[in-house]
Amino acid sequence: KQEVTQIPAALSVPEGENLVLNCSFTDSAIYNLQWFRQDPGKGLTSLLLIQSSQREQTSGRLNASLDKSSGRSTLYIAASQPGDSATYLCAVRRYNFNKFYFGSGTKLNVKP
Amino acid sequence: DVKVTQSSRYLVKRTGEKVFLECVQDMDHENMFWYRQDPGLGLRLIYFSYDVKMKEKGDIPEGYSVSREKKERFSLILESASTNQTSMYLCASGGLAGAGEQYFGPGTRLTVT
Repeated sequence: KQEVTQIPAALSVPEGENLVLNCSFTDSAIYNLQWFRQDPGKGLTSLLLIQSSQREQTSGRLNASLDKSSGRSTLYIAASQPGDSATYLCAVRRYNFNKFYFGSGTKLNVKP
Repeated sequence: DVKVTQSSRYLVKRTGEKVFLECVQDMDHENMFWYRQDPGLGLRLIYFSYDVKMKEKGDIPEGYSVSREKKERFSLILESASTNQTSMYLCASGGLAGAGEQYFGPGTRLTVT
């Protein structure tokens, strides 16, 4: 069974800092990996999706990388802002399978 | 833009009531999913559907059933609501082909008293 782990569970940084969130998974036979943001009491918003054949994806200040062989993905947030405060989740989709496996999330607090 | 909508943002029901949660997507996606999210337990898959009238159990199907009569609509049914079903319920949809990205609705906060 695929296990997805996110470390750290919580992170507090001052505004302007560059930061890295980690996601690791146990089974490298994945179809894709998706990063989400969740604000309190809301649904999940898709940030970036990386296909298994890709190494990284970028959107604005966000960059996600994927290393399938080591079972790791990182989400890099440049020049963090208070508006980035949220919980960030990663999810992997198994190859030839419609099910997604979620990490438990990293709760980020960016202090003004 | 993909849109996934859920019938209610907040819902309060009594123990023993039959509860219907509805989800609608506008992207002609084959796959639709129901999750529940609880503090400390993360997202857990209840049921998913990969086609009209087709469904598969997720990790925690007990106490729930689903219905998919039309491609765009996926309903979650709590046959007899219990207090341990108080939770945030999230619906998602995604295509089989292409990127296979998953899109979420805004969630329904259900309280069973």
